[in-house]
Amino acid sequence: AQSVTQLDSHVSVSEGTPVLLRCNYSSSYSPSLFWYVQHPNKGLQLLLKYTSAATLVKGINGFEAEFKKSETSFHLTKPSAHMSDAAEYFCVVSDPLLYGGSQGNLIFGKGTKLSVKP
Amino acid sequence: NAGVMQNPRHLVRRRGQEARLRCSPMKGHSHVYWYRQLPEEGLKFMVYLQKENIIDESGMPKERFSAEFPKEGPSILRIQQVVRGDSAAYFCASSPSILNGALETQYFGPGTRLLVL
Repeated sequence: AQSVTQLDSHVSVSEGTPVLLRCNYSSSYSPSLFWYVQHPNKGLQLLLKYTSAATLVKGINGFEAEFKKSETSFHLTKPSAHMSDAAEYFCVVSDPLLYGGSQGNLIFGKGTKLSVKP
Repeated sequence: NAGVMQNPRHLVRRRGQEARLRCSPMKGHSHVYWYRQLPEEGLKFMVYLQKENIIDESGMPKERFSAEFPKEGPSILRIQQVVRGDSAAYFCASSPSILNGALETQYFGPGTRLLVL
């Protein structure tokens, strides 16, 4: 079973409109969840993380995500897209109880490429 | 404070040669992680190391691949007798010491793009 599912491989929005990148996960009781962004030919930058504190997590650059246990979702949102947001976004889970290994073993979704039109 | 450094950024090897990828963690970080990213795929965990110790190598192929993080110097991911299927981007990440089992954020380097001809 897929442990992290990013429902859209490609999302296109117009500048100034909202962004929604969807992510569903499989986990045990207490996963850690992350969103990372990768700009072309660059490394990954952490946008935000959830580690069993507040369910609404605010990140950098105006992004936020809400942990919904009942829906096993961790969708990433931003109220208004900017051209510089165009990149690939990865939803990531760490859950050694379910997947074994160590807490260092991050499990990545396949990514969602975000395009922003002027 | 310099981020995670990886070199080389690009590496070309012919089939059968060896590839050595280096990673210098952020200052103060003693945990290093290696991931592989195939085209159009997310990153796949390979190995997690602390200084002089391999903590988790559950994602490492059983043959031809090895990793080390010596007491002094960078972490090295070594691929012997490379094949075309090894062509990928290899990312290193580092994190501070884990306190009380809490998961620390991993900070990623820019990656090494390996091309096997």
